[in-house]
Amino acid sequence: KAGVTQTPRYLIKTRGQQVTLSCSPISGHRSVSWYQQTPGQGLQFLFEYFSETQRNKGNFPGRFSGRQFSNSRSEMNVSTLELGDSALYLCASSKGGAYNEQFFGPGTRLTVL
Amino acid sequence: AQSVTQLDSQVPVFEEAPVELRCNYSSSVSVYLFWYVQYPNQGLQLLLKYLSGSTLVESINGFEAEFNKSQTSFHLRKPSVHISDTAEYFCAVRLESSGSRLTFGEGTQLTVNP
Repeated sequence: KAGVTQTPRYLIKTRGQQVTLSCSPISGHRSVSWYQQTPGQGLQFLFEYFSETQRNKGNFPGRFSGRQFSNSRSEMNVSTLELGDSALYLCASSKGGAYNEQFFGPGTRLTVL
Repeated sequence: AQSVTQLDSQVPVFEEAPVELRCNYSSSVSVYLFWYVQYPNQGLQLLLKYLSGSTLVESINGFEAEFNKSQTSFHLRKPSVHISDTAEYFCAVRLESSGSRLTFGEGTQLTVNP
């Protein structure tokens, strides 16, 4: 069974640009969650999508948005990039129930210059 | 709101020594508890979880954790560590009502020295 894949693995952008990250969940998983990992703030929850609907949202500004497609693949978008958006962005998929295990992808390393 | 505190940011130990990584949480409702491990340049891997039932949970590679409701703790232990256990370890909680959302601790870097 293929794991969670994230593309691209590395990305370099400049301030003010926007970026789109992609996550393909494990087959059969309907929930996709996104997390931001930085040395200063640690792992922080961005949002979760379940069956194409946002089910949970963390405390991030509106510049961070996401969506989920009918095949459960998800994208997250960050507009007007700031230096502080440099981070490892992790995607996790699960079947969606509280008892279900979340499987994490390898992450996308975003560097904002 | 729930929160997770990992009491040690760095834990250096010698190979074959025992180790304990401490985790405390706060929540006004019941939670599910997890330990994840992250190796350099990789995502997170689930090490073990407590959902219900026995308060002592074990992983396949020798780690164990005990859920202590009265002390709101979920400490991770291993009786004898290997060099390959060097990694960052994260404790996390999830509310039954919060879907798949995890709240993580700050992480503990475990370094096993020969």
